[in-house]
Amino acid sequence: DIVMTQSPDSLAVSLGERATINCKSSQSVLYRSNNKNYLAWYQQKPGQPPKLLIYWASTRESGVPERFSGSGSGTDFTLTISSLQAEDVAVYYCQQYYSNPPWAFGQGTKVEVK
Amino acid sequence: EVQLVESGGGLVQPGGCLRLSCAASGFTVSNNYMSWVRQAPGKGLEWVSVIYSDGSTYYADSVKGRFTISRDNSRNTLFLQMNSLIVEDTAVYYCARDGSKSGFNWFDPWGQGTQVTVSS
Repeated sequence: DIVMTQSPDSLAVSLGERATINCKSSQSVLYRSNNKNYLAWYQQKPGQPPKLLIYWASTRESGVPERFSGSGSGTDFTLTISSLQAEDVAVYYCQQYYSNPPWAFGQGTKVEVK
Repeated sequence: EVQLVESGGGLVQPGGCLRLSCAASGFTVSNNYMSWVRQAPGKGLEWVSVIYSDGSTYYADSVKGRFTISRDNSRNTLFLQMNSLIVEDTAVYYCARDGSKSGFNWFDPWGQGTQVTVSS
């Protein structure tokens, strides 16, 4: 089974500054035949269900602010919030959907305001 | 509007059972891959089970043999039958649709979740 590991577990960033979250998979999630990385990112605020932010590692879901971007390929991925806003305080998860089930999530990264 | 509404959670003793429901609106459950994902208190997300549009089902090892996913097409509703519950099953249970609607299995949308507490 593919294991997803995020780093750091938490980070504190000043408002307006950049936040960077890393996600590493135990095996490649790049499907060679279509050159797509089977990796999604979610945001979860307290008391709410997760919200899809990004799929195919870098495709922003409709309605997601442009300050959120995803990058990476193979086994190493990054979610970047270019200019942190107060409403971005949340826990962020990566998820692979490359393999047959089970589909794994990272352990989560908590983003706070410094 | 696409919406998922879970129900059926509650407090149950170890060894007991519960059946969770997820009522869908705005789309047809049977035409989509539908999953259950859970979140233990203060913990991360754990995928639990999926039912494909062809009826195939898959389970996490942690629930295999104890949980059963199913759907009622006439009610456009997804279910999770949970038997032989253990304390470690305590979590908020979310239902979610395959966001791609074509089998690529990122999750969108999600329901609001239903709390399951297993305790004596």
